[in-house]
Amino acid sequence: DTEVTQTPKHLVMGMTNKKSLKCEQHMGHRAMYWYKQKAKKPPELMFVYSYEKLSINESVPSRFSPECPNSSLLNLHLHALQPEDSALYLCASSQVPEGLSNQPQHFGDGTRLSIL
Amino acid sequence: AQSVAQPEDQVNVAEGNPLTVKCTYSVSGNPYLFWYVQYPNRGLQFLLKYITGDNLVKGSYGFEAEFNKSQTSFHLKKPSALVSDSALYFCAVRDNPTGGFKTIFGAGTRLFVKA
Repeated sequence: DTEVTQTPKHLVMGMTNKKSLKCEQHMGHRAMYWYKQKAKKPPELMFVYSYEKLSINESVPSRFSPECPNSSLLNLHLHALQPEDSALYLCASSQVPEGLSNQPQHFGDGTRLSIL
Repeated sequence: AQSVAQPEDQVNVAEGNPLTVKCTYSVSGNPYLFWYVQYPNRGLQFLLKYITGDNLVKGSYGFEAEFNKSQTSFHLKKPSALVSDSALYFCAVRDNPTGGFKTIFGAGTRLFVKA
């Protein structure tokens, strides 16, 4: 079992809906990440939180809104998504922000999102 | 700028035979190198890493990787493949210390192990 828990595992939503993806880790990691992964492609970085503050936004459209309420939780709020946003959304965490660390990232199993 | 290349989209090997999945990288500083594996409908799982020291790194599930600085390569190897090794493998690099917060992933190599 993975140590990073993502919910829900699957999500189907219309383009006008608002939904949220959730991620939780209890390893004491202070860096958390959101990635988008299309089928058979590598993960694409979306956001990085370092010590609960947004450190990187990879020019992600505003219809994706991240939130880090505390050091264990990471949310991704979704609104007015497009069909091309359908993908596997992966959450990851690492011990410290990776620029200062040689530690690997720990990934959740992702939320498979389908936009109708 | 950092980059990583996995030249093979797919590697096919018979069970019991040795396997190699290739990776080359480009960084401006000293690299941190990683291999991850992804099984269907799962997230990425860490296999092994090279930070410094011995060029041969041993990791999970019997995998190992050899760091070659002159060839800027970090190939993943296993002496005897199992059918259960069939998965998608990603090589990843961070530039130390200038890479900041980013890990750069290769395009991935799909490994098929036939019984």
